[in-house]
Amino acid sequence: QSALAQPASVSGSPGQSITISCTGTSSDIGAYNSVSWYQQHPEKAPKLMIYDVTNRPSGVSNRFSGAKSGNTASLTISGLQAEDEADYYCSSYTANTPVFGGGTKLTVL
Amino acid sequence: QVQLQESGPGLVKPSDTLSLTCGVSGYSISSSDWWGWIRQPPGKGLEWIGYIHYSGNTHYNSSLKSRVTMSVDTSKNQFSLKLSSVTAVDTAVYYCAKKPAAQGWFDSWGQGTLVTVSS
Repeated sequence: QSALAQPASVSGSPGQSITISCTGTSSDIGAYNSVSWYQQHPEKAPKLMIYDVTNRPSGVSNRFSGAKSGNTASLTISGLQAEDEADYYCSSYTANTPVFGGGTKLTVL
Repeated sequence: QVQLQESGPGLVKPSDTLSLTCGVSGYSISSSDWWGWIRQPPGKGLEWIGYIHYSGNTHYNSSLKSRVTMSVDTSKNQFSLKLSSVTAVDTAVYYCAKKPAAQGWFDSWGQGTLVTVSS
């Protein structure tokens, strides 16, 4: 399966909102509600931020939200904070196979 | 709270077999969850390698399937990865992670271990 398409980078100022897109196909993102998002700070392990398109694990700030439309999923971070600067990866799960996006580097200006 | 910790050689010679173990603490590996490996080449994105259930059932990435073997040791509460015939492209940080049963995400991750393939 091909990797999901994400923008290489996005940026925003503190307090603003940003959205990261994740584009797949009608066979993965478009077919199932099994999209997850991970946050990865430099030299750290990824951290699950969103699962099943819109759900937040316990302890994840409600500033993080997920959505899906057709073959594209999105992660929105509202009220940007300096600590949000990190790499973000989407993932889709189909036929017992997780596929990751290429990652998006978020810069907080 | 579940904790995962990878261990194994940090340097492997080309054509040799890469072997890593993930120790699990605070949680029984003999649960309904699955236990996976994901890798990340330096400066690049995440790649799923595969995952295993304590029963021994496995699912592997089709692109690596011919070289991957995973196993579970319930007595030690750990699981392992073997990747054969490695080359420089296998140089990466290798993460172990927990995948809840019947779900598509990894909710707990180890800190990762860098494995370099070089002579």
